[in-house]
Parts: sequence; C-alpha cells; structure tokens
Amino acid sequence: GDSVTQMEGPVTLSEEAFLTINCTYTATGYPSLFWYVQYPGEGLQLLLKATKADDKGSNKGFEATYRKETTSFHLEKGSVQVSDSAVYFCALSDLDSNYQLIWGAGTKLIIKP
Amino acid sequence: EPEVTQTPSHQVTQMGQEVILRCVPISNHLYFYWYRQILGQKVEFLVSFYNNEISEKSEIFDDQFSVERPDGSNFTLKIRSTKLEDSAMYFCASTRDLPSYNEQFFGPGTRLTVL
Repeated sequence: GDSVTQMEGPVTLSEEAFLTINCTYTATGYPSLFWYVQYPGEGLQLLLKATKADDKGSNKGFEATYRKETTSFHLEKGSVQVSDSAVYFCALSDLDSNYQLIWGAGTKLIIKP
Repeated sequence: EPEVTQTPSHQVTQMGQEVILRCVPISNHLYFYWYRQILGQKVEFLVSFYNNEISEKSEIFDDQFSVERPDGSNFTLKIRSTKLEDSAMYFCASTRDLPSYNEQFFGPGTRLTVL
C-alpha cells in the first residue's frame, strides 16, 4: 500500500540557516502530496501542496517540488526563523487510498536564535 | 476565517468508560474525517464520513468506535469502552469537495488519556 517516509528528527538549526526535510513516498497511483505543520499546542495546518509531477508548492518561504522520478517531495526553506519551530508532516492522498491522508512520522524542527 | 473546532481539548477517562469527542466542521463542508496520533507515532486515518454514512474506515475503527452527525453541525466520535491503547490525540478534519486535490482542514485535536 501507499506509504510516506520522512527524515527523523529532531532537526536543530540556527536562525537563518538553510532547511531541508526529506520526504519520499510509495504509491501505486498518482498521488497528491502535502506538507502539514503543527505548531506547539495547535492542530495540523496545511503548509503547501502539489498535485502533479514537477509542480512546486510554496508558502511562507517554504517550497517543495513533486519529483516523480525520485518519488520525493522534500521541504526546503532558505532562511529559517525561530517561529518556524514546529513538527512538519509529509502526507499523500490518492485514489488507491480512497483519498485518506497517508502520513509520514513527522519531523520536529527546532530553530535556535 | 472559518475553522474546524473540537471539544474538549483534553479528556481524561477510566478504562472501560464511554467517551464522545466532538467536532464542528466548517459549515459548507461535506466530507468529514477522524484521525488519531498516538504519542510519538504517525497520524493514522480512522474513518471518513459523507452523506450521513461512513464512506471508508481503517482496521483501527472496530466495533468500539462509531461516528455520528446528529444535528447537521456536529460530528462526533464515540468510543464505547475505552482501552489504555486508545490514549492518543484525535483530530477531526473536513473538506468541501472530494479530497483528491483539496485541502483537509483540521481541528486543534482532543487529547484523550485513558487511565
């Protein structure tokens, strides 16, 4: 069945550092790909999404490109801020999973001033 | 901005007791979901609900679980006889259209602690 694998955390960076959180997926169909973020004490918020190969999702300085050839959707940000500290989840949905969201394990990001 | 709300934020119960977790989805949304996240583990799909019936459920969603949309605004998850392993964060989500490309909007979650 479909699955999502993302890098384990926590990831600890200094402010203004470059961020990459790796995400790879396994799917039999043509999934849509998502990054959700969970700030401390809050629910899950959609950060960005991409629905087909080579699409780039972007929001709040974060970007991720849907790479079908490497089945990846890595999250990047050029210069992180302390306020980016959160848990980041990669997820997919497709017809084969009846559009349930299939989630990665989450990566905790800690940004130090 | 419309949002999904959930109550209570934290529920503590004794093993074997019934609990009802409540959610108010966004008002013009048609598809509703429950997910759970056991501490330190992945978010897991429980059930989806459309047109007043379950459209999909996972293996986790056994006979102890039920969902209901009692009054056109609330969407509830009932656990009939809680077990220790039901302790988790429970998230409600909703989406307006078939979620092939559309965002599922999540509530803040209910933390269930079974003692």
